[in-house]
Amino acid sequence: DTGVSQNPRHKITKRGQNVTFRCDPISEHNRLYWYRQTLGQGPEFLTYFQNEAQLEKSRLLSDRFSAERPKGSFSTLEIQRTEQGDSAMYLCASSLPGTKNTEAFFGQGTRLTVV
Amino acid sequence: AQSVTQLGSHVSVSEGALVLLRCNYSSSVPPYLFWYVQYPNQGLQLLLKYTTGATLVKGINGFEAEFKKSETSFHLTKPSAHMSDAAEYFCAVDSGTYKYIFGTGTRLKVLA
Repeated sequence: DTGVSQNPRHKITKRGQNVTFRCDPISEHNRLYWYRQTLGQGPEFLTYFQNEAQLEKSRLLSDRFSAERPKGSFSTLEIQRTEQGDSAMYLCASSLPGTKNTEAFFGQGTRLTVV
Repeated sequence: AQSVTQLGSHVSVSEGALVLLRCNYSSSVPPYLFWYVQYPNQGLQLLLKYTTGATLVKGINGFEAEFKKSETSFHLTKPSAHMSDAAEYFCAVDSGTYKYIFGTGTRLKVLA
């Protein structure tokens, strides 16, 4: 069990560029979540996958954001035409199915800075 | 709708003193409650969780929390603070909808 892995750890990009982040969940976890954390705030839910199906998207996830989880394994989060307001830590988490196992394990995050 | 309120965005304690971080929640159904710790530029690490059963929950690093339904609270405590406890702490609620609602966090400072 190597934990949830996120790459890259840090990304600096110019406004208007596209960026893509990757998350590798714990291997037997079929639930995968993306959260965004801005400075001084708690993480905010963005989206959730169960296997390869994206079951819910927060209204925080504008149409510039897209997330995929092909084959129900790793996931990618892409931001198109980045804006300075997108600067944040993007956290990925995974968990086992079932209401008694809702503990989510978080990765170390990808810190995005848009300049 | 679920929500979490953490009173005190910053808490300072002396090394060896009691740590008390406050969390109140709002949930229309019996909640699952969590405390996570975050060190600078790191992800979140689970300290402890309450799902059902015993209302006093013990976690890692000597932390514990008590679920009080009548007060809708889930305060985090540690009898004796250590320098290594300095970090940001987040309370979260999950009402069975698979997504967590986090509080805004409490930054704990431990004074030598």
